[in-house]
Amino acid sequence: EDQVTQSPEALRLQEGESSSLNCSYTVSGLRGLFWYRQDPGKGPEFLFTLYSAGEEKEKERLKATLTKKESFLHITAPKPEDSATYLCAVRAFYGGSQGNLIFGKGTKLSVKP
Amino acid sequence: KAGVTQTPRYLIKTRGQQVTLSCSPISGHRSVSWYQQTPGQGLQFLFEYFSETQRNKGNFPGRFSGRQFSNSRSEMNVSTLELGDSALYLCASSLVPSGSSYEQYFGPGTRLTVT
Repeated sequence: EDQVTQSPEALRLQEGESSSLNCSYTVSGLRGLFWYRQDPGKGPEFLFTLYSAGEEKEKERLKATLTKKESFLHITAPKPEDSATYLCAVRAFYGGSQGNLIFGKGTKLSVKP
Repeated sequence: KAGVTQTPRYLIKTRGQQVTLSCSPISGHRSVSWYQQTPGQGLQFLFEYFSETQRNKGNFPGRFSGRQFSNSRSEMNVSTLELGDSALYLCASSLVPSGSSYEQYFGPGTRLTVT
């Protein structure tokens, strides 16, 4: 069964304290791994797409990396405005059929000033 | 370019009633997917529409249905509401159908409360 697991469930950081969020997945043929940010009461905001192992993408203080079994979202010198829930999702290839997004439960990040 | 819009933003219904939610995708996007988000289950895929045809459906009962119009706008309907249907319902649009590698962009969601 295709599955996405995110850890930790919650993470509290001090402003400037760098850390990483983990997303491990088991899918029958990866067709993209997606990171989203979600603020309370809002829809998920797209951050990155990664397609193949070894790929990396950066945006401001965020850097996403991908291996064959997991992805990491590295947050460098976070600020309070980075506080949000970060969601990981994968799209699997089902032998020619359509592949919907499979989401993890998310990591709730809190950054204290 | 305007983002995905969903109406209404908040809704309170009684058990047994039915509800219709609306979604307008980003201009030019032809694929619309619907998700249910709850604290316990997280984001779960409901269904996807492209060119007015349902292309994919998640593991939800037949009380959940949807449709897409020729202008790509989509509606989802839930009949005979149950307390467990209380959730944030999210619509996401994409340039092309899922199954490709194109990302989906989400709307703000409709918060449905069933009492």
